[in-house]
Amino acid sequence: SQQGEEDPQALSIQEGENATMNCSYKTSINNLQWYRQNSGRGLVHLILIRSNEREKHSGRLRVTLDTSKKSSSLLITASRAADTASYFCKHRNSGGSNYKLTFGKGTLLTVNP
Amino acid sequence: SQTIHQWPATLVQPVGSPLSLECTVEGTSNPNLYWYRQAAGRGLQLLFYSVGIGQISSEVPQNLSASRPQDRQFILSSKKLLLSDSGFYLCAWRDGGEKLFFGSGTQLSVL
Repeated sequence: SQQGEEDPQALSIQEGENATMNCSYKTSINNLQWYRQNSGRGLVHLILIRSNEREKHSGRLRVTLDTSKKSSSLLITASRAADTASYFCKHRNSGGSNYKLTFGKGTLLTVNP
Repeated sequence: SQTIHQWPATLVQPVGSPLSLECTVEGTSNPNLYWYRQAAGRGLQLLFYSVGIGQISSEVPQNLSASRPQDRQFILSSKKLLLSDSGFYLCAWRDGGEKLFFGSGTQLSVL
């Protein structure tokens, strides 16, 4: 399966605080991606990190990958109310199907103004 | 640039009625196409994917079916809707790269 498991299931913070979400997986991966979903909308790709990378930044987003622990973290710094959304991870297994793409249940982030 | 169109945005259907949701992609050729369903507050369930015209892989053996009559058109259908078919349906495409691009979704309520 290429389904990651996000943790926690829900996270509530105050505006300005940092938010950290985690994703665990079970097999060797080629890459791992994070997506965001605003309520009632489709998912939007945020960032992709490859198996030979340990950290990647994009604006206020920081993604880390620890292949020895089979886990990834998404950090959103200086959160804003507009960051309120569900966040999903998806990984691609090394040698796995390139077509059957599945997602976990996601982390629901609520940023309170 | 590539765009994906999914319609309708909302749909209310009685139990036992048929269903047809359509998704089209513009600006690319031979995309991989996907149908997902999301129950309220839950993750995404992969329903079908297609790697080419007429090629459909089913992940969910329920009363739903999918068809790909043209390269950039993906249709989700049912002959008789069940209450359990209610949910948020998302179409997505991929051009062979790693990223998935999603439509805006259809909220289906079966009453």
